[in-house]
Amino acid sequence: RKEVEQDPGPFNVPEGATVAFNCTYSNSASQSFFWYRQDCRKEPKLLMSVYSSGNEDGRFTAQLNRASQYISLLIRDSKLSDSATYLCVVNGGGFKTIFGAGTRLFVKA
Amino acid sequence: DVKVTQSSRYLVKRTGEKVFLECVQDMDHENMFWYRQDPGLGLRLIYFSYDVKMKEKGDIPEGYSVSREKKERFSLILESASTNQTSMYLCASSPQVNWSYTFGSGTRLTVV
Repeated sequence: RKEVEQDPGPFNVPEGATVAFNCTYSNSASQSFFWYRQDCRKEPKLLMSVYSSGNEDGRFTAQLNRASQYISLLIRDSKLSDSATYLCVVNGGGFKTIFGAGTRLFVKA
Repeated sequence: DVKVTQSSRYLVKRTGEKVFLECVQDMDHENMFWYRQDPGLGLRLIYFSYDVKMKEKGDIPEGYSVSREKKERFSLILESASTNQTSMYLCASSPQVNWSYTFGSGTRLTVV
């Protein structure tokens, strides 16, 4: 079992749709959680950290479920510019940071 | 604007050449990392450093070495390039207080 698993997609959604991605992790001692966004042929960029209480940044909402060991990202009112690969990132303490392989999203007009 | 700068965007090298990839950050971060990214495999950690002159192997260090003589600079060295080292190489840095990474724009290396 991979330490961090994501559905690779692709997710194809129309503009304005709501889309959700899940990510599971295997290390129950994991401490920090993030979502990164990576555009085609570009570097990953931090989208948002994920907190136990859940957090929201505009159209993006991130949630953490420690009991079930998964994190989620919800995108509301999808824009064409949201098309990208979304990476789930889990830090298990110290230097043990694991990147998921990513979920591809295509938003179409 | 904080930055991680990688010296080359694209490189083409011949098999057996020694290759140097340079990375500089201006955020005074303690931690620096080298990853390679390949389709379907995601990001894989090659080496990391948590202080000047300190280095630790990541998950795939074979065929690579690193150097960190100054806090802001972390170099990746391919001792003898091989075709299976053709990849996108990404440098990143992070502060000690949290683990949010800032990445450089990447070097796409082709070994022929």
